Amino acid sequence: DAGVTQSPTHLIKTRGQQVTLRCSPKSGHDTVSWYQQALGQGPQFIFQYYEEEERQRGNFPDRFSGHQFPNYSSELNVNALLLGDSALYLCASSLVGTGRKYEQYFGPGTRLTVT
Amino acid sequence: KQEVTQIPAALSVPEGENLVLNCSFTDSAIYNLQWFRQDPGKGLTSLLLIQSSQREQTSGRLNASLDKSSGRSTLYIAASQPGDSATYLCAVRPRETSGSRLTFGEGTQLTVNP
Repeated sequence: DAGVTQSPTHLIKTRGQQVTLRCSPKSGHDTVSWYQQALGQGPQFIFQYYEEEERQRGNFPDRFSGHQFPNYSSELNVNALLLGDSALYLCASSLVGTGRKYEQYFGPGTRLTVT
Repeated sequence: KQEVTQIPAALSVPEGENLVLNCSFTDSAIYNLQWFRQDPGKGLTSLLLIQSSQREQTSGRLNASLDKSSGRSTLYIAASQPGDSATYLCAVRPRETSGSRLTFGEGTQLTVNP
């Protein structure tokens, strides 16, 4: 049973560029959430997708956008990159209505460095 | 706004010691609480999930308790081992009818010395 997968593992971008990160949820899961984790901090919620729509959003600017595809996989896009966007980006998946009560499973993350 | 605090920020213990990690949250209207483990530069591994109606959960040498009314949870690790060295994060899910966003603490960095 495949867990949550993310690509790429590492990424280096220059200020002002745009980046796309990808996530495939755990098999059978239908909800994908994205988190940003700066060094030494806890993860911060960016947004969540369910049924191909953004359902919840954290306190992030609209430079951060996303998409969910019919197969439940998801993309996170960040435009006009800033140095402060350097972080580990984590994807989590869960299943609405499961007996495990929305337990979230996390992927290995994508390390984004902005220079 | 929900805030989650973890104490201590870092902990170093000798192998074999029993230890307790603390997590507190400001809004008791939660749906559940999860404890995670994170190895350096890696993703999060779920250790235990406690529903708001439960008092504790156990898995192997780990035991997590929840006192929702006081806004506290503890993670007890018995007979610690060097392989337990990692950062431990707690996260709460609000009691909302939709969505499953988690609010995290900043973690406790645990080092178990052989």
